[in-house]
Amino acid sequence: GAVVSQHPSWVICKSGTSVKIECRSLDFQATTMFWYRQFPKQSLMLMATSNEGSKATYEQGVEKDKFLINHASLTLSTLTVTSAHPEDSSFYICSARTSGGSLSTDTQYFGPGTRLTVL
Amino acid sequence: QKEVEQDPGPLSVPEGAIVSLNCTYSNSAFQYFMWYRQYSRKGPELLMYTYSSGNKEDGRFTAQVDKSSKYISLFIRDSQPSDSATYLCATGFQKLVFGTGTRLLVSP
Repeated sequence: GAVVSQHPSWVICKSGTSVKIECRSLDFQATTMFWYRQFPKQSLMLMATSNEGSKATYEQGVEKDKFLINHASLTLSTLTVTSAHPEDSSFYICSARTSGGSLSTDTQYFGPGTRLTVL
Repeated sequence: QKEVEQDPGPLSVPEGAIVSLNCTYSNSAFQYFMWYRQYSRKGPELLMYTYSSGNKEDGRFTAQVDKSSKYISLFIRDSQPSDSATYLCATGFQKLVFGTGTRLLVSP
């Protein structure tokens, strides 16, 4: 099966600091990765789409200078929350879309999520 | 109008019941439809994936798509307490659009 990992699974930081979250596709290559955030009892909100080797595409209302995305390889994308504030506290989830093979090219597989708490 | 509408629930059923979860969508061009299961504080897990109209069965789960009415359903037979989770429907093209999720509670 398709496995996506995220690290760390949870993080607590002070206001004003930056936090980096890693997303890895473990057993497949992902040309596209997506970053979502989810508030309690709400659905996933797409923040940005990340393609390997190119700049991320951000959804309307998402500050690209605050949420830095780097898709350095076909198996790794990182999200850095810069100068985090308490309102950035949320559940951040990445997903990876396969680039072919035995899995559908249109199927996204999700990581386990990272819970960020900013004090 | 939201692209995908889903009743947030919660939906409470006794163990062994048949569960019906539903979503409606607005864009008739959507072809791919997914159901994800999300346990509390975990990432979504792909449960079912269907293309165009029709039914797809996998064990106790059946996904149904009716493109004429833009209606998608997930049926769970012989529901178990371990099925208690939030179920998210999703569709789209390059980007997935999710419903709000329906919280299902199966009591022993």
